[in-house]
Amino acid sequence: EAGVAQSPRYKIIEKRQSVAFWCNPISGHATLYWYQQILGQGPKLLIQFQNNGVVDDSQLPKDRFSAERLKGVDSTLKIQPAKLEDSAVYLCASSPNGYEQYFGPGTRLTVT
Amino acid sequence: QKEVEQNSGPLSVPEGAIASLNCTYSDRGSQSFFWYRQYSGKSPELIMSIYSNGDKEDGRFTAQLNKASQYVSLLIRDSQPSDSATYLCAVKGWSDYKLSFGAGTTVTVRA
Repeated sequence: EAGVAQSPRYKIIEKRQSVAFWCNPISGHATLYWYQQILGQGPKLLIQFQNNGVVDDSQLPKDRFSAERLKGVDSTLKIQPAKLEDSAVYLCASSPNGYEQYFGPGTRLTVT
Repeated sequence: QKEVEQNSGPLSVPEGAIASLNCTYSDRGSQSFFWYRQYSGKSPELIMSIYSNGDKEDGRFTAQLNKASQYVSLLIRDSQPSDSATYLCAVKGWSDYKLSFGAGTTVTVRA
């Protein structure tokens, strides 16, 4: 069974630029999550989708971050404009049942 | 907002020894508990889940849960150098869907 796919794996941008990340969950997993992990910290949930509906986006900085999950499968997370403090690893995870979560390889974002 | 606290590392153990990792959580209503392993530069990997009080064993790993004390632990028996990683405790409440992670404990197994 293929795991969670993410792209790109690495991205370097300047502050105030925009960036987008893509995630393809494990086939059949209805729940999809985006996390931000800053070095030395645990992952922090940004947004959770159930199929193509948003379950929780309470920690998503909505003035600059947006996310969508079209057709209940793939998802994109966008940052516009980026700030220095957005430098982190962005992790996508999916779950078959809302309990065990399986993570993709992540995208390491550096904002200069 | 659930808080999840893990014992600060790093934790260094000799090969073959038992590594003991601890985690406490603030939300008494939490129902589901998970341990993830994260190698340096990699993403978290689920290694254990536990939902009921008591012990759950899977190979060299044993998770222990005490809901009354709001405490969950992970024991790694016969530690191997390949166990060297950061271990993340994650807690899920019954009233929301959010998984809250601790900051992790870094384990180093000395050969």
